[in-house]
Amino acid sequence: QKEVEQNSGPLSVPEGAIASLNCTYSDRVSQSFFWYRQYSGKSPELIMSIYSNGDKEDGRFTAQLNKASQYVSLLIRDSQPSDSATYLCAVNLDFGNEKLTFGTGTRLTIIP
Amino acid sequence: GAVVSQHPSRVICKSGTSVKIECRSLDFQATTMFWYRQFPKQSLMLMATSNEGSKATYEQGVEKDKFLINHASLTLSTLTVTSAHPEDSSFYICSAAGTGQAYTFGSGTRLTVV
Repeated sequence: QKEVEQNSGPLSVPEGAIASLNCTYSDRVSQSFFWYRQYSGKSPELIMSIYSNGDKEDGRFTAQLNKASQYVSLLIRDSQPSDSATYLCAVNLDFGNEKLTFGTGTRLTIIP
Repeated sequence: GAVVSQHPSRVICKSGTSVKIECRSLDFQATTMFWYRQFPKQSLMLMATSNEGSKATYEQGVEKDKFLINHASLTLSTLTVTSAHPEDSSFYICSAAGTGQAYTFGSGTRLTVV
């Protein structure tokens, strides 16, 4: 079983709609969860971090964490063509260790 | 926000030569730096973790004698790919973490070995 799993996509969403990205992880003691956006040929950039159960909103982005079900999701409201990218879920699986484990990423395409 | 500078952005080298990649945290002290490699259409694969002043911890399958990592200060870490071969061609990315500071990625280095 992979430690951090994401649907590789591609996920196509009409412009203006809500894009929903999901991620599951294997280790119940995971503490820190991150969503990164990566454009082709570029390095990842941090969008959201979340540490507690529930929702965290930042502009058009909302991260949702459910530790009991071991999943974390990212919602993008009012999707824009510029949101087209690969979204990487990253989890700190080792308590007390700063190492992040990345999912394989979901490729998102916003259709104008 | 936190900035991590990575150089060079692109490098082409001949097979058998060595290449050094630098990663600097510009506005915070990076107690830990991570080095990743990413092949086309694949996710980031952690190569090694380095703490300032300590030897790097390499992930399974990564040759420590081939990928030399130095983290001599709280703002600088280097990765040297020694005796590079075409199969080492990849996108190398560093990431820095500090106390109270979220992980920040450098801009990446595209290495092509010919």
